[in-house]
Amino acid sequence: EPEVTQTPSHQVTQMGQEVILRCVPISNHLYFYWYRQILGQKVEFLVSFYNNEISEKSEIFDDQFSVERPDGSNFTLKIRSTKLEDSAMYFCASSVDTYNEQFFGPGTRLTVL
Amino acid sequence: KQEVTQIPAALSVPEGENLVLNCSFTDSAIYNLQWFRQDPGKGLTSLLLIQSSQREQTSGRLNASLDKSSGRSTLYIAASQPGDSATYLCAVGKNGNQFYFGTGTSLTVIP
Repeated sequence: EPEVTQTPSHQVTQMGQEVILRCVPISNHLYFYWYRQILGQKVEFLVSFYNNEISEKSEIFDDQFSVERPDGSNFTLKIRSTKLEDSAMYFCASSVDTYNEQFFGPGTRLTVL
Repeated sequence: KQEVTQIPAALSVPEGENLVLNCSFTDSAIYNLQWFRQDPGKGLTSLLLIQSSQREQTSGRLNASLDKSSGRSTLYIAASQPGDSATYLCAVGKNGNQFYFGTGTSLTVIP
């Protein structure tokens, strides 16, 4: 069964460093999303992406964040200068359209020291 | 802003029992609603999606209902099994682009 994959599973970085989190959405899906979950808190929406553009973003998704689909399969989230409060589990999701289920990847645990 | 609440926060039941998980939301103008399960340290597994025009959806032992006017959804699990132990998350869709998640109900099914 097709699934969303994410790499790495765990990333440790120093405060102020740039990180890139990678996702491979399900192949026939057209809509892509990033969410994050700080330990013990709710899953929070960051950004949605369709047709090589951001469709919607939350107030969390400030200038430190960017997304890109560099080729036909990968979808990336870049954090330019990480802060301690960026430590969280980051989930990528994809859907075939906006009417159907979003399928989530296993997540990347980001730890900022 | 949409606020999503799930009650109870934790639930422990003996194996074989039927149970209901509750989700409430403050803004009834929703696009859809999706239920997920999350195992410790893992990603989210989709269980059921209900469109705003639907009243319920069923998949195996799971049945989800939606009452938009009262801002509620329930997830009914029949004949619970130890393998059902997980955190169940309700996510309310705003416009097809983003979900607002609840804090979840942690379910333990005791053998």
